[in-house]
Amino acid sequence: QKEVEQDPGPLSVPEGAIVSLNCTYSNSAFQYFMWYRQYSRKGPELLMYTYSSGNKEDGRFTAQVDKSSKYISLFIRDSQPSDSATYLCAMRTGTASKLTFGTGTRLQVTL
Amino acid sequence: DTGVSQDPRHKITKRGQNVTFRCDPISEHNRLYWYRQTLGQGPEFLTYFQNEAQLEKSRLLSDRFSAERPKGSFSTLEIQRTEQGDSAMYLCASSLGSSGKRVNEQFFGPGTRLTVL
Repeated sequence: QKEVEQDPGPLSVPEGAIVSLNCTYSNSAFQYFMWYRQYSRKGPELLMYTYSSGNKEDGRFTAQVDKSSKYISLFIRDSQPSDSATYLCAMRTGTASKLTFGTGTRLQVTL
Repeated sequence: DTGVSQDPRHKITKRGQNVTFRCDPISEHNRLYWYRQTLGQGPEFLTYFQNEAQLEKSRLLSDRFSAERPKGSFSTLEIQRTEQGDSAMYLCASSLGSSGKRVNEQFFGPGTRLTVL
């Protein structure tokens, strides 16, 4: 069983929709949670990170962490075709520097 | 361009050959990481440096792999006697390491795509 599980999709939504992307994890030592966006054949781009439980908002993006359920989410409001990409969750413990990634969810926003 | 750069972007080699990749991190970043990503999977950690010191290596990093960061700036990743299973995207990332929060901001380069025939 992988430490971080993420539905690979693909997830297809119409332009303007609210998108919900999720990851579950098994390691209770994870304290920092990141979301990356990766376009085809490019490196991952950091969108945002959160520490422990709670919400964080940045523009159209909101990240949520529920440590009691070992569940994290990324919401994208007013989705645009340019949001079409693979979204990767990543996380790390408080002492480690390495990131543990999910497999990524491929998102397609259609006109 | 002030981001992380990697060279080459693509490498095709025959099984058994040695290959070397280079990563130039963001200039003020003292931490440098190597990850490997195969098709349909997320990146997997290989190793990381703080300045010139290699502080952690994954079990994925077999003895055919070696990484260096001789002057605490650019890094190289060498794979000896390549195998078809080494075909992947090799990603480099860098971050500051002065506090826990800064380590969360790992910025990735475009990757080197390796194909072993």
